[in-house]
Amino acid sequence: ETGVTQTPRHLVMGMTNKKSLKCEQHLGHNAMYWYKQSAKKPLELMFVYNFKEQTENNSVPSRFSPECPNSSHLFLHLHTLQPEDSALYLCASSQDYRGREPQHFGDGTRLSIL
Amino acid sequence: AQKVTQAQTEISVVEKEDVTLDCVYETRDTTYYLFWYKQPPSGELVFLIRRNSFDEQNEISGRYSWNFQKSTSSFNFTITASQVVDSAVYFCALTRMDSSYKLIFGSGTRLLVRP
Repeated sequence: ETGVTQTPRHLVMGMTNKKSLKCEQHLGHNAMYWYKQSAKKPLELMFVYNFKEQTENNSVPSRFSPECPNSSHLFLHLHTLQPEDSALYLCASSQDYRGREPQHFGDGTRLSIL
Repeated sequence: AQKVTQAQTEISVVEKEDVTLDCVYETRDTTYYLFWYKQPPSGELVFLIRRNSFDEQNEISGRYSWNFQKSTSSFNFTITASQVVDSAVYFCALTRMDSSYKLIFGSGTRLLVRP
């Protein structure tokens, strides 16, 4: 398996549910990212991890909780979400987090909040 | 403030036409990086090209070419002899070179290539 893999591809959940999004990269990269892509809005950076350490939290509500157990895996734990959280959530990785190297993206998880 | 503007929201062309996607950026950094990404309907963003601020050489890769002009803060992307498979949303992006190193994306241009 190569590249960046995200699961699940689609997720429908109620506002009181708890679920997790998973991302795995097979590129040997050291930095991983979560982005949110809503309709009619630019891609929004949510979190950045470098060597498992969080280097950026872009004012994301606490109902989104990231976890990075190692440089290859990234999770986004979801709880008590709101309808406006429905979006495409994209995971990405890059060789380092200093912006020089291109980021490689997964296919995303399409999240719908009922 | 750093900003990327893609003024063309949507472009529709007929197959084999040439098409140029515009990207204008704002930054106070003297060193910065610019990127183009393609997002097909499947969702993933595919990296196309990276340019650093000191390299103004234009680049050609097959049917794709990029024109980087610092004087006008533009980094335009041209597809020659477009094909239906080129239909996608294209994003231009700029790296903020402060401590955050955030990638600032434009709003994207949706390209529809009709047969």
